[in-house]
Amino acid sequence: GAGVSQSPSNKVTEKGKDVELRCDPISGHTALYWYRQSLGQGLEFLIYFQGNSAPDKSGLPSDRFSAERTGGSVSTLTIQRTQQEDSAVYLCASSPDWNYNEQFFGPGTRLTVL
Amino acid sequence: AQSVAQPEDQVNVAEGNPLTVKCTYSVSGNPYLFWYVQYPNRGLQFLLKYITGDNLVKGSYGFEAEFNKSQTSFHLKKPSALVSDSALYFCAVRVGSSNFGNEKLTFGTGTRLTIIP
Repeated sequence: GAGVSQSPSNKVTEKGKDVELRCDPISGHTALYWYRQSLGQGLEFLIYFQGNSAPDKSGLPSDRFSAERTGGSVSTLTIQRTQQEDSAVYLCASSPDWNYNEQFFGPGTRLTVL
Repeated sequence: AQSVAQPEDQVNVAEGNPLTVKCTYSVSGNPYLFWYVQYPNRGLQFLLKYITGDNLVKGSYGFEAEFNKSQTSFHLKKPSALVSDSALYFCAVRVGSSNFGNEKLTFGTGTRLTIIP
């Protein structure tokens, strides 16, 4: 079956512009996670959704970052006024429910801020 | 707070030899432990997990890992390495709980495994 998909696969933007990153989870998965992978670093947790609500936003690095999920499916991560330090690969993962232990990852969106 | 340490950025192993990728963790409470693999230009793929039960867990592609509570370790192993095993490996931990709110995974910084033909 179809896995987690993310779009765009690559995004190059100028400093100060806003960007939107999209995640389509596996059909029927109620839990959705966003992570950031910076060069030479591990994966950094950003935000978690269960259904349309976000019980854990603790990883969002600043108020320039926000995310939403509508219809319990597609999620959008928005970064406003991008900075060069926002350059990273943004990974999305989904799980069948909040306590299902395995997370299924998408291929990621590589964001480059010039 | 929870954390994961992967002390080796790079591990090189000759094809056919056994391999070990090290991971230690810190978590408040019982740990759920995971290994993921990342191939170039691809997302992370799940390899195996420890939740409870036998300390030795077996996963995909012939990999296994041993949970050692006293040493707070969860090293990844394979008896005979293949060139195709070359990839970036991540260890991850979360708090083991059936209570809502403990779902966040904390990852290590990754270990690049290179199998030399």
